[in-house]
Amino acid sequence: LAKTTQPISMDSYEGQEVNITCSHNNIATNDYITWYQQFPSQGPRFIIQGYKTKVTNEVASLFIPADRKSSTLSLPRVSLSDTAVYYCLVGFSGGYNKLIFGAGTRLAVHP
Amino acid sequence: EADIYQTPRYLVIGTGKKITLECSQTMGHDKMYWYQQDPGMELHLIHYSYGVNSTEKGDLSSESTVSRIRTEHFPLTLESARPSHTSQYLCASSESGVDTGELFFGEGSRLTVL
Repeated sequence: LAKTTQPISMDSYEGQEVNITCSHNNIATNDYITWYQQFPSQGPRFIIQGYKTKVTNEVASLFIPADRKSSTLSLPRVSLSDTAVYYCLVGFSGGYNKLIFGAGTRLAVHP
Repeated sequence: EADIYQTPRYLVIGTGKKITLECSQTMGHDKMYWYQQDPGMELHLIHYSYGVNSTEKGDLSSESTVSRIRTEHFPLTLESARPSHTSQYLCASSESGVDTGELFFGEGSRLTVL
């Protein structure tokens, strides 16, 4: 299983763009990269998923370089409600592969 | 909105009691999972199932057991609860046969064993 490494914590201010990078050096060919958001006392919530290049949805963008050994979650213009823990997962749930969460990045957005 | 439900949300019990945490999903997902998470800590996979009558242990050893008699139901049982079992238990499900990592989580069951 591909192991992921993320910063433990980050701080930002309202209105700024936040970029969280995840390293996954031993990512496999079939693996997808998925990011989740978790608020206190709640289960994680899916944010975005990608395989290569760039993916964008209504809440975030995901940048994946050609070698796929890292990925960057980009949150445009964060607000206080974006304060949460963000997890990067690498895996292929279409097969018999367990999805393992790492320690995540604790993002604090300040006024 | 994900249709996966966990009960109870909160449970406080004494040592030695048997407890069952319920998890049900109405999405017809074959895959279901149980994760354990202590406050401020990472999630650990303790059980998973790929379908009816399929259960496997996860990466974190757990004294709990699970069963999967129906697709929509994946209960977790502790035969004799201990204070070390105090934690939040999160149930999740995902769709089979598609190349997606999207897990749908319930709101969790927070267990406190006195």
